[in-house]
Amino acid sequence: AQKITQTQPGMFVQEKEAVTLDCTYDTSDQSYGLFWYKQPSSGEMIFLIYQGSYDEQNATEGRYSLNFQKARKSANLVISASQLGDSAMYFCAMREGSSNTGKLIFGQGTTLQVKP
Amino acid sequence: DSGVTQTPKHLITATGQRVTLRCSPRSGDLSVYWYQQSLDQGLQFLIQYYNGEERAKGNILERFSAQQFPDLHSELNLSSLELGDSALYFCASSGDTEQYFGPGTRLTVT
Repeated sequence: AQKITQTQPGMFVQEKEAVTLDCTYDTSDQSYGLFWYKQPSSGEMIFLIYQGSYDEQNATEGRYSLNFQKARKSANLVISASQLGDSAMYFCAMREGSSNTGKLIFGQGTTLQVKP
Repeated sequence: DSGVTQTPKHLITATGQRVTLRCSPRSGDLSVYWYQQSLDQGLQFLIQYYNGEERAKGNILERFSAQQFPDLHSELNLSSLELGDSALYFCASSGDTEQYFGPGTRLTVT
């Protein structure tokens, strides 16, 4: 069965430094998609970045990059030059199958606090 | 702003009551998903509709039902509410690869 594991319940990072949030996944499908979302204290779920299982390049979106290691089944989120506004809960999620539509399975989340 | 709208933002109701949560997907998106976020269960997929038809079902209770209308908006109906139904309910929509979430409806059952 598909599963997402985020082993870091909480993380601290100094402002302007880079931070890596860990995510490992388990699936028997060859085709799948990996997502990261940010949930600030206000509650909304903000889409950050997407990586397809067949994408050869690691996905990047501004200060966010996804370190995709297929053999290790890991999809870590790297946030560069952390800002105070990055303090939030971060969720890793997976969608199985080759279709562009399908449910997401989420990890338990990592709370990131950025220190000034 | 994700382009997905949800109403109401907050809902407080009593046990045994019935409520309806509403969602409008992003323009052009045919798929709508409902998720529940609670402290003990985390983020759980409830149900998916695609162009008016039910596509997938997750951990959705029999007391809960949903539908997607011809204009593609969706409603999630929760009945015989229990204290444990208190949660944040998200609607999401997708067209291409990404799945975008609405702001959520925070349901409190007292």
